[in-house]
Amino acid sequence: DQQVKQNSPSLSVQEGRISILNCDYTNSMFDYFLWYKKYPAEGPTFLISISSIKDKNEDGRFTVFLNKSAKHLSLHIVPSQPGDSAVYFCAASAQDMRFGAGTRLTVKP
Amino acid sequence: NAGVTQTPKFRILKIGQSMTLQCAQDMNHNYMYWYRQDPGMGLKLIYYSVGAGITDKGEVPNGYNVSRSTTEDFPLRLELAAPSQTSVYFCASSQIDRRYGYTFGSGTRLTVV
Repeated sequence: DQQVKQNSPSLSVQEGRISILNCDYTNSMFDYFLWYKKYPAEGPTFLISISSIKDKNEDGRFTVFLNKSAKHLSLHIVPSQPGDSAVYFCAASAQDMRFGAGTRLTVKP
Repeated sequence: NAGVTQTPKFRILKIGQSMTLQCAQDMNHNYMYWYRQDPGMGLKLIYYSVGAGITDKGEVPNGYNVSRSTTEDFPLRLELAAPSQTSVYFCASSQIDRRYGYTFGSGTRLTVV
């Protein structure tokens, strides 16, 4: 029962361009949505979150958009930098936190 | 500030052996969690704890046990290891306020042969 889905296993973008990572969920009870970033041999690192009562949250180069009617959220990174290359996990929280399978972002110089 | 510390980083177990994965946090977080990550999959919740003396099952608790005798420590016990338990295990902790997400340890890579 995969309640959080990231359908793109990988994404490659040019440095300076926008990266858009997508995530879909099925459980209407989720009330917080988060993005984590993970480098090899490290644990995930919290990046940004959004409450279900909002549709946008911005933190520097990172913006998360939430479309509750479509049960969809996305993470925008502008401008993308080579150091952003990592695996990005979408997560959704109700009583506990469920994670997507991750999207590997590669930012090319 | 060490955050969440997991030991060991790597371990190879034989089928049927037991071991304890250690997790400690120094942020005075009440909430602690154990997740496993299999290749190409998201993190799956094994057990969690909302405070010392309180633990509860997550999505995939079978084959594991936990205890929480102090706020700082949340060890995960594997009894009778099986090849299906080959995975990367992550411990995490959090504040009550979910806006700030979880703080994860660097993981334990376990192979059962």
